[in-house]
Amino acid sequence: KQEVTQIPAALSVPEGENLVLNCSFTDSAIYNLQWFRQDPGKGLTSLLLIQSSQREQTSGRLNASLDKSSGRSTLYIAASQPGDSATYLCAVRAYNQGGKLIFGQGTELSVKP
Amino acid sequence: GAGVSQSPSNKVTEKGKDVELRCDPISGHTALYWYRQSLGQGLEFLIYFQGNSAPDKSGLPSDRFSAERTGGSVSTLTIQRTQQEDSAVYLCASSLGGNNQPQHFGDGTRLSIL
Repeated sequence: KQEVTQIPAALSVPEGENLVLNCSFTDSAIYNLQWFRQDPGKGLTSLLLIQSSQREQTSGRLNASLDKSSGRSTLYIAASQPGDSATYLCAVRAYNQGGKLIFGQGTELSVKP
Repeated sequence: GAGVSQSPSNKVTEKGKDVELRCDPISGHTALYWYRQSLGQGLEFLIYFQGNSAPDKSGLPSDRFSAERTGGSVSTLTIQRTQQEDSAVYLCASSLGGNNQPQHFGDGTRLSIL
């Protein structure tokens, strides 16, 4: 059974710091991994999708990596800003699981001015 | 362009009543998903529609839950005889077809059962 874990559950950093969020999954048979951010009371905003054949994806100050064999992904945020404060979720789309995403519990990020 | 639209944004109802939640996907998206987000359980898959194929209902928690997608566009999630444990945020997502398309989410419906 595919399980997704995110560590840490919460993270507080000063503005300007570079940071890494971690995501691990138990079964490497995945189509892709998707990173989202969720602001309080809002839905999920898609940040990056990495296909299983890819190693990384970049968008602006965000860089996501994928090591499928070890079951790990990281989301790197450069030069963090208070506006980056949100909950970050990773999710995998696994083989033989239909179209559903399997989510981690999220990392709540707080960037202090 | 418009994103995924869900209505109502909030719904408060009494235990035992039926509720209907609506999702309007992004135009042209053939796949539509329903998820539930609650404090203790995180984000859970409920049901998945892809084109004209039979929906994947494997995540529905009980036979009180059902969903339809009419004309390949708008979807309605219905919960009959609501229970307090049904209180959660119900999120809808849509995507283009295929296994490597990102899912795009609406803002959800916050359902509270009194």
